[in-house]
Amino acid sequence: EPEVTQTPSHQVTQMGQEVILRCVPISNHLYFYWYRQILGQKVEFLVSFYNNEISEKSEIFDDQFSVERPDGSNFTLKIRSTKLEDSAMYFCASSEGNGNQPQHFGDGTRLSIL
Amino acid sequence: AQSVSQHNHHVILSEAASLELGCNYSYGGTVNLFWYVQYPGQHLQLLLKYFSGDPLVKGIKGFEAEFIKSKFSFNLRKPSVQWSDTAEYFCAVNSRGATNKLIFGTGTLLAVQP
Repeated sequence: EPEVTQTPSHQVTQMGQEVILRCVPISNHLYFYWYRQILGQKVEFLVSFYNNEISEKSEIFDDQFSVERPDGSNFTLKIRSTKLEDSAMYFCASSEGNGNQPQHFGDGTRLSIL
Repeated sequence: AQSVSQHNHHVILSEAASLELGCNYSYGGTVNLFWYVQYPGQHLQLLLKYFSGDPLVKGIKGFEAEFIKSKFSFNLRKPSVQWSDTAEYFCAVNSRGATNKLIFGTGTLLAVQP
């Protein structure tokens, strides 16, 4: 069964540095998402992406964050000037369509900000 | 605002016991409902989903869930659990037609004792 893959599995970064989290969605999927889960808290929606642009974003997704689909296969989340509170598990997901099409998740990247 | 509540944070059962995990949502419109499972060290996997039609939906691994619109509930059930069902279970909802973003509950950690 095709899977969403994320790299790296664990990223440790100094506060203030930039970090890029990478995702390869399932190849025939058209909608892409980033979620995060701070330790002990709910999985929270960050952003959705379709047709090479952001279709929806949460209030968490401020100017510090950006997403990009640099080529036909990768989908990246960039966090500029990281803060301690950015430490979390970041999940990428993709879906074939919108609404009632299920989202398929990657294994996540654990981001630790020191 | 949309929200999802999972009342059981940690459930411990013996093998062959029956399982019911509660999920209630708060949203004024029509929703799609999902249960995801996360086995230790793995990614979120879709267990089952409800979009329309028969409110009793069957998923993988013997799980089922019943949508009760009047109670805004979508409880997950399994008649006889196995040790391999040990995992964290997440209820999620998105609004039909308006947005793709999933709103997750806090998750229920299920431990099945052999």
